Order: sequence, then structure tokens, then C-alpha cells
Amino acid sequence: AQTVTQSQPEMSVQEAETVTLSCTYDTSESNYYLFWYKQPPSRQMILVIRQEAYKQQNATENRFSVNFQKAAKSFSLKISDSQLGDTAMYFCAFMKQDDYKLSFGAGTTVTVRA
Amino acid sequence: GAGVSQSPSNKVTEKGKDVELRCDPISGHTALYWYRQSLGQGLEFLIYFQGNSAPDKSGLPSDRFSAERTGGSVSTLTIQRTQQEDSAVYLCASSLVGYQPQHFGDGTRLSIL
Repeated sequence: AQTVTQSQPEMSVQEAETVTLSCTYDTSESNYYLFWYKQPPSRQMILVIRQEAYKQQNATENRFSVNFQKAAKSFSLKISDSQLGDTAMYFCAFMKQDDYKLSFGAGTTVTVRA
Repeated sequence: GAGVSQSPSNKVTEKGKDVELRCDPISGHTALYWYRQSLGQGLEFLIYFQGNSAPDKSGLPSDRFSAERTGGSVSTLTIQRTQQEDSAVYLCASSLVGYQPQHFGDGTRLSIL
């Protein structure tokens, strides 16, 4: 079974600043996918970014980027130029290749201050 | 539709009653998933559909839980004889096929009195 650990229950950041969320995972698989999902108070889980384990290059999506360290089994999310709309809970998730189940971490609540 | 649609948005019911939760996936998505989000357990996988078949029901917590999908589209999650520990947000997701990124609905918040 895969476990996903998010060690920061809450984080606060000033608008326009940068915040980094940590995520580690435990797996014996060599091929897998990693995701960051955002869940605002509206409850809808929104896919922020996806990383394939076989790719060395870190994924980026506009202000969101990841630092994927496969050997360390680490997958952190950096939010640059934070905006008030980034306030949400962020979940790190793991999926084995050729699988369909997402295994989620406990989440990190991010609050962006004006 | 444009996104995954779930209904009702909120449901309050008495212990012992049966409830039905509905999920309408993104048009053309053949894979559909149910997850449960609760304070104590976090986000848990419940069941996966590929078309109308459910090859993996391993996450259903008990035999009080069942789900079906008809026409390769709408899915219904049914909880019989609800218990207080069933209180949670039930999230539905869909993807083009299995293994593709999953797109979630807004969830149904279920409260058992």
C-alpha cells in the first residue's frame, strides 16, 4: 500500500509571496503519477499539477511548480506570487501506473493574507 | 455537461434511513470513481467504474454501501440503514478512461442525525 504524508497541517502566506508545501510518499513502485489537488471552500477538488515519475523535468503550471525528488520520494509544491484565490486546502496524491485509485495525503490548509 | 455534477449538495437524514447520492460525470468519460472525505479518515477511495462495470469495490466500507452505474453515465451510491459514522462528504470523479487525471464534482455533504 502507498502512503502519502503531508507534514504541514496549515500554512499562511502574504499575498504576492511564495509558499512551498511538502509531500513525501512511500512506494515500492518505479512507475507512478503524483498530483496536487486544490480544494477551496466550495469543496470541488481541482487538479493543480501532475507529474509522471519517469520524467526528470519538474512540472509547472503558471504560478505552480513542483520539486520532484524521486530518490528521496519527495514531491513539494511551490506557489509563486500567491493570490487570495489560492486560499484552499491542498492535497498531494499518488497513483500507480496502470492503476486508477488515488491515495491522498491529509492535506495542508493554505491561507493567503491580504 | 461541463463538469462532474453531484446531487444533492447537502443531505441531512436520520440514523437508520437509506440515502441515495447521484453523480453525473463529464460527457464522454468512461471511468467514474467515488471517494469519501471525513474528518477522521481523510480521503478514501470507495469504488471505481469502467463503463457500467465495477471492477474494484474494495473501498466500500460495509455491505450497507452499494453503487451502480447505468448507460455508462450516471452513477448512484446508496447507503442503507445509515449510521452516524457515515457522515462525510462523498466526492465523485470521472476521467476519460482509467489511469487518466480525475476530475471531481463538488461533493455531497451527508449528515446523519
